[in-house]
Amino acid sequence: DSGVTQTPKHLITATGQRVTLRCSPRSGDLSVYWYQQSLDQGLQFLIQYYNGEERAKGNILERFSAQQFPDLHSELNLSSLELGDSALYFCASSAVGLGETGELFFGEGSRLTVL
Amino acid sequence: SQQGEEDPQALSIQEGENATMNCSYKTSINNLQWYRQNSGRGLVHLILIRSNEREKHSGRLRVTLDTSKKSSSLLITASRAADTASYFCATARSNDYKLSFGAGTTVTVRA
Repeated sequence: DSGVTQTPKHLITATGQRVTLRCSPRSGDLSVYWYQQSLDQGLQFLIQYYNGEERAKGNILERFSAQQFPDLHSELNLSSLELGDSALYFCASSAVGLGETGELFFGEGSRLTVL
Repeated sequence: SQQGEEDPQALSIQEGENATMNCSYKTSINNLQWYRQNSGRGLVHLILIRSNEREKHSGRLRVTLDTSKKSSSLLITASRAADTASYFCATARSNDYKLSFGAGTTVTVRA
């Protein structure tokens, strides 16, 4: 058990819909990362937050947004869903602060299926 | 785009044998990390090696880093069926807060 909690574990929805994925980092970790894993694209970095502020942005679509709240949990919002958004979405947290990217602790992921 | 590329894509070995996989990357790094993923599960951190280190050990794992060749290798000795998983290298660049993952090597250990 990594200590990172993601909900929901599975989600099935239709094209055009909007979903919210939630992540609770390990106790005390200030950094939260979101990744998308699909068969054709591999593990793609989406976005990173540190203590409530966006710190790095990757290949995140404009239809996707995220935020980290004062209690350090994070949410990833996916809107206007397309078939190609079907993937496993991972959240990870890290104890390391600014200046270095250290060991990441991953949650078990949220599997999104868009029909 | 992915920073690291693992080789081979897939590897099948007998229990007790060693497994070696390689990772090549494109730009200078601050550190390189290896992770394991069991099918459909979350990734688990195995080992981190910094750019000023050349070799690191953790149990049955040995990692090397050659910054001049921009490559790393992961050796798993005396493999077990439980080592069956996908293994990913990930690179962290200086002044860049993201960790970029390669496509992974799928290792199957036959009993």
